[in-house]
Amino acid sequence: GAGVSQSPSNKVTEKGKDVELRCDPISGHTALYWYRQSLGQGLEFLIYFQGNSAPDKSGLPSDRFSAERTGGSVSTLTIQRTQQEDSAVYLCASSWTDWGGYTFGSGTRLTVV
Amino acid sequence: AQTVTQSQPEMSVQEAETVTLSCTYDTSENNYYLFWYKQPPSRQMILVIRQEAYKQQNATENRFSVNFQKAAKSFSLKISDSQLGDTAMYFCAFMTQGAQKLVFGQGTRLTINP
Repeated sequence: GAGVSQSPSNKVTEKGKDVELRCDPISGHTALYWYRQSLGQGLEFLIYFQGNSAPDKSGLPSDRFSAERTGGSVSTLTIQRTQQEDSAVYLCASSWTDWGGYTFGSGTRLTVV
Repeated sequence: AQTVTQSQPEMSVQEAETVTLSCTYDTSENNYYLFWYKQPPSRQMILVIRQEAYKQQNATENRFSVNFQKAAKSFSLKISDSQLGDTAMYFCAFMTQGAQKLVFGQGTRLTINP
């Protein structure tokens, strides 16, 4: 596609429920990244994919968070047993270079009530 | 660990004025990249300008330019002839060469007033 597409744009969920956030990167971009942006904060790295493998998942905050990427394309970030502190904007980016020339999506705003 | 600090949480200037946003960083690496990203209310992060640490010449992109002081670990962004559309959050970011993740500062909320 022309840009990085994320869905849903907004998600409200009850505490304890599982959620899935989707990222559809730019066609041909081999690298895909997930970041989290809490209210009024900068972006926090979560995980990086090269193709379908995740060489760096050091930013995942707990074992309730997991991510996968299939076909070297779409990625899903799953949060199990959501907590209120998981409320944030989750941003996805993709790139084909290693100099940070990312293209970001518009994010998913997750609200846990 | 690398850290990025933006000391100005908010700034406000009049349209057509020049504004400078500050950024400092801490690293022991010699080869790295520095970036300024803009985040409008749409939430999408947009790359404004980037600088390779090995280049002495400051990067420029139209009305946007940087003042890169490697020894001082400082990377400020200057916006000339500011426009209403420049209103946004601005994030300074750092990436070690060969690494695959950006380290972001806390951001500066910039408002351009008519």
